[in-house]
Amino acid sequence: GQNIDQPTEMTATEGAIVQINCTYQTSGFNGLFWYQQHAGEAPTFLSYNVLDGLEEKGRFSSFLSRSKGYSYLLLKELQMKDSASYLCAVRDPGSARQLTFGSGTQLTVLP
Amino acid sequence: NAGVTQTPKFQVLKTGQSMTLQCAQDMNHEYMSWYRQDPGMGLRLIHYSVGAGITDQGEVPNGYNVSRSTTEDFPLRLLSAAPSQTSVYFCASSAQGAANEKLFFGSGTQLSVL
Repeated sequence: GQNIDQPTEMTATEGAIVQINCTYQTSGFNGLFWYQQHAGEAPTFLSYNVLDGLEEKGRFSSFLSRSKGYSYLLLKELQMKDSASYLCAVRDPGSARQLTFGSGTQLTVLP
Repeated sequence: NAGVTQTPKFQVLKTGQSMTLQCAQDMNHEYMSWYRQDPGMGLRLIHYSVGAGITDQGEVPNGYNVSRSTTEDFPLRLLSAAPSQTSVYFCASSAQGAANEKLFFGSGTQLSVL
């Protein structure tokens, strides 16, 4: 089975940097995804990590440590539109490659 | 470019009624799935399919049926709705190639069972 933990809520100021952590305990691992979900909308893909290290994509970066079962999503130069829920998800290595999601971190960006 | 299309967007049912949530994708994806999203519990997998004619249960399958007669369509049936099925439902699809294939989500269905 999979157990994924994220903080429930975070608050940050426009222009700042925020780090959203995700820890996981899984029976198997075939990659970790981050999704962004605005209120009332569908989740949209942000990043994928399968090897240890940092993946940078514009203002967003994602880090993975497989030995520690730990990932974080780093958001730089925060904008008001970054207010959303951020979902961490782990891919099962089985044939169906299912995704198991954490409960999400609700980020509020204040002016 | 439609992607994943879900209907209806909103639905209110009475306890015991049945209904079907429709999901269609035009990306020729082999993998399709249904999730429900409840406050504080994240997205939970209901059923999934790895291709036409193949379906399997996810984490919370009770009270739901699915079928996959074509690559494009993956409807979710509620046989006898219960208040515990009040939730937001998302259909999602992905290609079955590399492990980094991401899920594409439909816009969701807000279901209330009274």
